[in-house]
Amino acid sequence: AQKVTQAQTEISVVEKEDVTLDCVYETRDTTYYLFWYKQPPSGELVFLIRRNSFDEQNEISGRYSWNFQKSTSSFNFTITASQVVDSAVYFCALRGGSNDYKLSFGAGTTVTVRA
Amino acid sequence: KAGVTQTPRYLIKTRGQQVTLSCSPISGHRSVSWYQQTPGQGLQFLFEYFSETQRNKGNFPGRFSGRQFSNSRSEMNVSTLELGDSALYLCASSLGGTGGSPLHFGNGTRLTVT
Repeated sequence: AQKVTQAQTEISVVEKEDVTLDCVYETRDTTYYLFWYKQPPSGELVFLIRRNSFDEQNEISGRYSWNFQKSTSSFNFTITASQVVDSAVYFCALRGGSNDYKLSFGAGTTVTVRA
Repeated sequence: KAGVTQTPRYLIKTRGQQVTLSCSPISGHRSVSWYQQTPGQGLQFLFEYFSETQRNKGNFPGRFSGRQFSNSRSEMNVSTLELGDSALYLCASSLGGTGGSPLHFGNGTRLTVT
């Protein structure tokens, strides 16, 4: 069974500060996929990034970056120079290898960016 | 490209009634999934369809059912509604529904059962 843990319930920062969201996962699959989603107050879950288990290269995309470490089963996500529009609930999700049709989500972390 | 469209956005029903929610996926996407989101249980998987076939179902009672049409549009039905069914129901579409294919979600249908 897949399990995703987001230990941080809420994070509050002032605009322009960096925000790092923690995600720890559990899976028995050797091939799996990790995702980050953002849910603004409107309710729609917005896909942000994806990482395959066989590619540990960390990347930066605009103000977003992520740190994937298989050794510690962690997939952390960082927003650099946060803005008020970044205020949302952020979810980490995991999907296993072949024939796994569902995403297992963490409980989410509420990020509030104050002006 | 139009996103995932869910209708209606809001719904208020009474215990014991039934409800049907609709979802139109992104053009070209053949996989449609449904999720229930509540404050207590978070995001939970309901079921997934691909080419009109249900490939996987979550741990929900039989009152929850769904189907997918030949144009990939999907409907979800909940019969004999209970107060605990009050939730945000999210539909998502993707190209294949597995592997690294990300899900793209709609705005959801917020169901309130009184």
